[in-house]
Amino acid sequence: NAGVTQTPKFQVLKTGQSMTLQCAQDMNHNSMYWYRQDPGMGLRLIYYSASEGTTDKGEVPNGYNVSRLNKREFSLRLESAAPSQTSVYFCASIDRGAYGYTFGSGTRLTVV
Amino acid sequence: TQLLEQSPQFLSIQEGENLTVYCNSSSVFSSLQWYRQEPGEGPVLLVTVVTGGEVKKLKRLTFQFGDARKDSSLHITAAQPGDTGLYLCAGGNNFGNEKLTFGTGTRLTIIP
Repeated sequence: NAGVTQTPKFQVLKTGQSMTLQCAQDMNHNSMYWYRQDPGMGLRLIYYSASEGTTDKGEVPNGYNVSRLNKREFSLRLESAAPSQTSVYFCASIDRGAYGYTFGSGTRLTVV
Repeated sequence: TQLLEQSPQFLSIQEGENLTVYCNSSSVFSSLQWYRQEPGEGPVLLVTVVTGGEVKKLKRLTFQFGDARKDSSLHITAAQPGDTGLYLCAGGNNFGNEKLTFGTGTRLTIIP
């Protein structure tokens, strides 16, 4: 099925561990985004990539890095996980000239 | 920083009743989108409004964009249990390269 695929779906990390969240879309979209969702705070933008080869910081980039590997893939890396990074992470994409994101199903990350 | 406030935060009503959810900001947006999110899934786009005063209908759901493009409302007629979910509004200002600002969400429960 066409869409945005995120892996893993669940992850538990210890404080200080690192990990990469993977995201791939098969809709040939230009722009891709990483958001985090926390109770009562809505979705907040971490990083985005307007096109292949470019990345920019969003509202809450501290503690994260990203890589736009190619047009399909956009990964989010936590170098040294902290309990404050416990959240649900969503990847999204959008086509140029279109309205509305297509979201993945999310990664629920717990840092203990 | 642009902010979007949604009200109410929680709403629980009986099947068959009508309801309205509000999305307000002090900032002007070029587009306003509404998403619905179910547990364990990513948000799914319901509608986009782009013109001040615009009204769009999606079956029993009616969406309106404020004249000044700072606010929006979602009205559901004769609510059904399938309408249960988290409703998110999101404002954008860069057509085709959107960095959306999301509201805090309204969690709607329809009681059979």
